[in-house]
Amino acid sequence: DSGVTQTPKHLITATGQRVTLRCSPRSGDLSVYWYQQSLDQGLQFLIQYYNGEERAKGNILERFSAQQFPDLHSELNLSSLELGDSALYFCASSPTSGRASNGELFFGEGSRLTVL
Amino acid sequence: SQKIEQNSEALNIQEGKTATLTCNYTNYSPAYLQWYRQDPGRGPVFLLLIRENEKEKRKERLKVTFDTTLKQSLFHITASQPADSATYLCALGSTGGFKTIFGAGTRLFVKA
Repeated sequence: DSGVTQTPKHLITATGQRVTLRCSPRSGDLSVYWYQQSLDQGLQFLIQYYNGEERAKGNILERFSAQQFPDLHSELNLSSLELGDSALYFCASSPTSGRASNGELFFGEGSRLTVL
Repeated sequence: SQKIEQNSEALNIQEGKTATLTCNYTNYSPAYLQWYRQDPGRGPVFLLLIRENEKEKRKERLKVTFDTTLKQSLFHITASQPADSATYLCALGSTGGFKTIFGAGTRLFVKA
C-alpha cells in the first residue's frame, strides 16, 4: 500500500459527460502528479501541483483541469469526454517539489475511466 | 521533443538468468533516472534511482547503470524469478523542472 488513495476505482460514462477523479496523497507529501495511461501506452504526464500551486504542465488537454486543495488532496476534472479519453488515470505524490533527495513517486492504484 | 525509448518487445528469459532492460533517451539532460515496476492494472512501484553523476547503483538483485554520454540506462535483474515478471518503466527527472516523464515500459516474462 503506497498510502496514495484514488477514487473512484472504476468509472463508466458517456461521451460528452464530465467526471471528477480524486486523489489523497500520502500523509505529509506536498506534491501531487497526475498521469494518464492508455491501453499499451506509457504513462503520460498531465500536471503537477505543489502545496496548492501548479508547478508543471504536460500534455494536458484544455478539456481537462486539476487543482490541489488546502488539505493537499487533488482533483482532476475531465469534461466533454471522448472515446479516446478512456484510460487509467494515476495520481502520484512525493514529499517535495521535485528536488527531493530521492525523487521517488508514490502511485495510487488508479482510476479506470471508460467512455462509451 | 523529449523522448524515452524502451524495448517495446517483451523480454522472455529463464528463471535464474539475468534480465537486462534498456532505456534510451533524447533531447533531455536528466538530473536522475528512476526505474519502476508495474503489475497489470496496478500503480507503478519505485525500485531504484540513479543520479547523473553516478555510474552504477545496486539494490539486492537489481543493478542500474547510467551513461549520460550514450544517454542510456541499463537495468539488470540477476537470478531472476517468475515473481519478477512485470512491466518495468524507466523515468527521467530534472532538478530544474518538476515533472517526471516515463518510457512506455518493457514487459518481462520469467519462465520457471
